[in-house]
Amino acid sequence: GQQVMQIPQYQHVQEGEDFTTYCNSSTTLSNIQWYKQRPGGHPVFLIQLVKSGEVKKQKRLTFQFGEAKKNSSLHITATQTTDVGTYFCAGLSNAGNMLTFGGGTRLMVKP
Amino acid sequence: NAGVTQTPKFQVLKTGQSMTLQCAQDMNHEYMSWYRQDPGMGLRLIHYSVGAGITDQGEVPNGYNVSRSTTEDFPLRLLSAAPSQTSVYFCASSYSVGVGGTGELFFGEGSRLTVL
Repeated sequence: GQQVMQIPQYQHVQEGEDFTTYCNSSTTLSNIQWYKQRPGGHPVFLIQLVKSGEVKKQKRLTFQFGEAKKNSSLHITATQTTDVGTYFCAGLSNAGNMLTFGGGTRLMVKP
Repeated sequence: NAGVTQTPKFQVLKTGQSMTLQCAQDMNHEYMSWYRQDPGMGLRLIHYSVGAGITDQGEVPNGYNVSRSTTEDFPLRLLSAAPSQTSVYFCASSYSVGVGGTGELFFGEGSRLTVL
């Protein structure tokens, strides 16, 4: 079945440094979504990418969808302590109605 | 705005006991799903439903049953709990999931289950 891998699993950064998490799918995706989960909380939707090569920005966050629609990345510029949490990608296959989540990247920001 | 409501928030079971995790949404979403979250393994789909009367298996369906008799409710049943089912369970709903769908999942606050 479809697998979605995410790296790194953990990332410690100093406040102000940049951060990137990468997501790779074993199959071509229809779309990809990104979620953020704060410690002790539930996942919250950030964005959805649909088109090959799409790039979207939300303030300091930049999301990219690969040309082959099999990989994606989330880049945070100048991290802040409020960015702390786990970031998940979730891919929707061309075939069905299942969103498959990556294992997540836990971001820790040192003030 | 209630959104997605899960109950109970915490539950401790003994091996072999049965229980039902409740999930209700008030957004008239067609799509509902159950995920379990274990450390280092992300969110794994257990079962999902694309509408009332329709359910399907996800990645890890064994040991769990679901039903969808109404649009609003999507309970998850554990018929004979096992320690391997110790996890945090999330219910999530969406207006639609699938090619062309809006896709955004709205999650409940989670139910932490411990099986002894």
